[in-house]
Amino acid sequence: DAEITQSPRHKITETGRQVTLACHQTWNHNNMFWYRQDLGHGLRLIHYSYGVQDTNKGEVSDGYSVSRSNTEDLPLTLESAASSQTSVYFCASSVGTGSPYEQYFGPGTRLTVT
Amino acid sequence: QQQVKQSPQSLIVQKGGIPIINCAYENTAFDYFPWYQQFPGKGPALLIAIRPDVSEKKEGRFTISFNKSAKQFSLHIMDSQPGDSATYFCAASETGNQFYFGTGTSLTVIP
Repeated sequence: DAEITQSPRHKITETGRQVTLACHQTWNHNNMFWYRQDLGHGLRLIHYSYGVQDTNKGEVSDGYSVSRSNTEDLPLTLESAASSQTSVYFCASSVGTGSPYEQYFGPGTRLTVT
Repeated sequence: QQQVKQSPQSLIVQKGGIPIINCAYENTAFDYFPWYQQFPGKGPALLIAIRPDVSEKKEGRFTISFNKSAKQFSLHIMDSQPGDSATYFCAASETGNQFYFGTGTSLTVIP
């Protein structure tokens, strides 16, 4: 079955280190998204991509970067991890422009920055 | 600025009750309004969604009511069950690309 996976599921890192979170989808979806989830804030968009070589900044993009070299993957990089980036990170994908609009979410990565 | 405002933050109901979660938006260009359900340790999963050309949509025990003039929409859960205990998020989107999520409602259904 097609799916969306994230790795690692849990990560502990130190302040200042570079961290990369992986997201892989097998639906051949054009759109991919990265969100962070924090209590009281819901889901906030970090970066998104509408296709290969396309990336866009979301609401809370400072300190994060993404690259899209193929349809299946959108890795999220924290350039220099900060304690404020401790959060649960979700990757999502959708078909693309036009119906259907549904976004399908991965299981999440819990990141702790010490 | 929060594009979608959701209330209440938490909700406790008895089994069989009808919890109602409300959301409001400002951008009249939004044309897709989904609700997501999230269980602890899992990613959000699409529950039900509505377009602004209808005022109500039902799927099983879940109903979305949509008021275009008031720029509000709500989720009703009929005959709620303990298994419905989860966090619910509303969202809004223009042309299905960028989603704007509410802050979530933690629902507890007491047996």
